[in-house]
This record gives sequence, C-alpha cells and structure tokens, in this order.
Amino acid sequence: DAKTTQPNSMESNEEEPVHLPCNHSTISGTDYIHWYRQLPSQGPEYVIHGLTSNVNNRMASLAIAEDRKSSTLILHRATLRDAAVYYCILSRAGGTSYGKLTFGQGTILTVHP
Amino acid sequence: SAVISQKPSRDICQRGTSLTIQCQVDSQVTMMFWYRQQPGQSLTLIATANQGSEATYESGFVIDKFPISRPNLTFSTLTVSNMSPEDSSIYLCSVGQGTNTEAFFGQGTRLTVV
Repeated sequence: DAKTTQPNSMESNEEEPVHLPCNHSTISGTDYIHWYRQLPSQGPEYVIHGLTSNVNNRMASLAIAEDRKSSTLILHRATLRDAAVYYCILSRAGGTSYGKLTFGQGTILTVHP
Repeated sequence: SAVISQKPSRDICQRGTSLTIQCQVDSQVTMMFWYRQQPGQSLTLIATANQGSEATYESGFVIDKFPISRPNLTFSTLTVSNMSPEDSSIYLCSVGQGTNTEAFFGQGTRLTVV
C-alpha cells in the first residue's frame, strides 16, 4: 500500500479555518484519498474522500493537488468538537479491499477556545 | 449508513484467560474487519472476517491467538485467547459496504489484562 505522511500535531483557534496536509507521493492512479478522524474514546469516523477533484461535504473540504501527490483537509471553522486525531488514508479501488484501511499515525489536532 | 454495537465496551481480565468480543451491525454488510489499537498508538488491522469461511489474517496475527467467527452478514466475534498484559488494547470492529464508500466503526472494546 502507498504510504501517507502527516504532521504529528497541529493547533488551531476556535472558529478559524484549519488546513491539515497529507503527502502521498507514491499514490497510484486507482488510489482514493480518504480522511477519517478519531475523537477521544471513540472509534474512527469518516470525514471525506476523493480521487482527483476537490470535494466538499457538510463536515469538511478536500483539496487534492493536480499531481495527486498531496492533499489538504480543510475544516472551515474549527470548533472544540473538532479536536481529534485525523488520519489520511489511501484506499485502492476495486477488489475486496473496500472498507479495509491502513492507518498511519495521523495528526493530532488541538483546538483552543 | 451502518450502526455497530460492540460488547463488552470494556473489561478487565486475568492473564491466561480468553475474552470474546461481539460485533453486531444493524444491516447486512459485505465486509467486516477487526482492528487493534494499542495504548497511544494508531489502529492496526487484525483480520478480515469472512462470512461462512475462515478469516483472513494480517501479518503478525494468527488464528490460534485471535479466532474470529462470522456466521452471517450482520454479526462477528473476535476472541483474544490466552491473554497477557501485552494484549491490553482497544479492539474495534469495522464494516465496509462497497468500493471506496465510507467504513463504519464500533465504539471499541477496551481490554485490560492484569
């Protein structure tokens, strides 16, 4: 599986935008970019995913570089509830791999009031 | 979406004993997975629970230590056998429905072995 690299930690202030970067220089053409987050004492939850185009949903936006070697998860207005570990994960399309995820260490996001 | 219930939510067990963790999903799902999260660490995939056949284990995990059952499309169990303190972790059940759709996770079972 292609590997992702994320900063160990980031900090933000409440109600400010947060840009969480992810490098995936060995991404293949069929790899989707997924983001999950894990709130304290909970299982991971899906945030967003995309292949080539930028994606938006009610939780966040995903900006994907044109060469697909990096991506950025954007939280438009951070709240205290967004404090979590954010994981950037590559998932290959097709076969029996769907739902099977390889987690890296993720980025610990701290949100200050 | 899928709602996953894991039981027990936590347990404290004596070394040398076994614990069976249950994962119940509110709908039929294609894929079910079991993960381990050691203290302060990320999640590591243990195995894929296959309906009606033996589970597929990842490198470093074996059936004798982590036997898995999946009798139908909504239920699976993971047993942690002959436990030692090193098995103290959070064990999580996850389900997937289709190619590159979101995966859903249970709340996890926090296991402490003393």
